[in-house]
Amino acid sequence: GESVGLHLPTLSVQEGDNSIINCAYSNSASDYFIWYKQESGKGPQFIIDIRSNMDKRQGQRVTVLLNKTVKHLSLQIAATQPGDSAVYFCAENGSSNTGKLIFGQGTTLQVKP
Amino acid sequence: DGGITQSPKYLFRKEGQNVTLSCEQNLNHDAMYWYRQDPGQGLRLIYYSQIVNDFQKGDIAEGYSVSREKKESFPLTVTSAQKNPTAFYLCASSPDRASPLHFGNGTRLTVT
Repeated sequence: GESVGLHLPTLSVQEGDNSIINCAYSNSASDYFIWYKQESGKGPQFIIDIRSNMDKRQGQRVTVLLNKTVKHLSLQIAATQPGDSAVYFCAENGSSNTGKLIFGQGTTLQVKP
Repeated sequence: DGGITQSPKYLFRKEGQNVTLSCEQNLNHDAMYWYRQDPGQGLRLIYYSQIVNDFQKGDIAEGYSVSREKKESFPLTVTSAQKNPTAFYLCASSPDRASPLHFGNGTRLTVT
């Protein structure tokens, strides 16, 4: 079935370093991808999105890269801060046109002071 | 401030009881969604609604029911038929099919 997976369950980085969180998706029909950040006890918060007609998109301290050839998505966080500590999920829209999203398992980012 | 309100934040029920989780949005979004999250896992879609008075089953709809009588409200009922109801339930909305989902802060349901 459709699935979105993440390469690593936990990523630990030093404060100030750059973080890279990876995601593999399986549905080649997906044309919209989103990264969410979820803090403990809260709902996911939108970080950045990208459509399949792009391979890179930048936000404030974050960059999303999309490689459609290998069905790979990554989120880069520059100068990681303690407040970035959370679980990060990638999501794809799959082959439907209903707006629903398919989520990966999540990667926990731990920022060491 | 516009947003999605889920209530209550914590809910406790005895096995065999039905329970309804509230979700209200004042974002004027057409589409609303219910997801379930289990510890250490991603989100799984229970039900979604793209317009008032219409809704569709998601991937894990068994043991759940919903209604969409008003644009701003999408309550989820966890019935006694749901075999493993203890979980974190997240409601979301979006203005259209090409936009990201906006999430509420969830309801943590514990059934004993």
